[in-house]
Amino acid sequence: ILNVEQSPQSLHVQEGDSTNFTCSFPSSNFYALHWYRWETAKSPEALFVMTLNGDEKKKGRISATLNTKEGYSYLYIKGSQPEDSATYLCAPTNTGFQKLVFGTGTRLLVSP
Amino acid sequence: NAGVTQTPKFRVLKTGQSMTLLCAQDMNHEYMYWYRQDPGMGLRLIHYSVGEGTTAKGEVPDGYNVSRLKKQNFLLGLESAAPSQTSVYFCASSYFTVFRKARGATSDGYTFGSGTRLTVV
Repeated sequence: ILNVEQSPQSLHVQEGDSTNFTCSFPSSNFYALHWYRWETAKSPEALFVMTLNGDEKKKGRISATLNTKEGYSYLYIKGSQPEDSATYLCAPTNTGFQKLVFGTGTRLLVSP
Repeated sequence: NAGVTQTPKFRVLKTGQSMTLLCAQDMNHEYMYWYRQDPGMGLRLIHYSVGEGTTAKGEVPDGYNVSRLKKQNFLLGLESAAPSQTSVYFCASSYFTVFRKARGATSDGYTFGSGTRLTVV
């Protein structure tokens, strides 16, 4: 079982602030990493799937980078909005198909 | 499109009772998964299936059984419920994806159901 660590556990920012979170994972036998957004009372929603070292993905104000050699991925949110409030999960896999191991997430609260 | 539908949404069981959670997807996904969510822990994989008629154990399979008789359905069974199985259960599905590292990811990620909150008393 992969050891996946996400930091910080929680974060409280003001509307308009930019923020970032970290996902750390073992660099050996890396295959892919997913990011999900999980809003309260809803189900997790896929943000990004990343496989290549140096990958950078972007969706609106949210972007992610991947460093497979050192075993980390960053998620950035530019100009946070209250609707960005959610728990952000990362989930790497070291197998050849999508058998993900989920981190405990970073809980983001954006105040107006 | 309904996506992934889980039934029931809530259930209270007495210790020793049995029940089946149903997961249905209408996206023609090959892979299906059952996870449980407990406070302070990440989603943990119970069982998964890579295709109709196949199942495999995940990280925490004890006390659960699964079946995938049809491609669109993945059933999770509790034969004799225990208080330790009190949890929120999520079903998910995804396409089979061969990751071609030279080209990057070809997957859209998992699609999750809305969850089943199970309490065993």
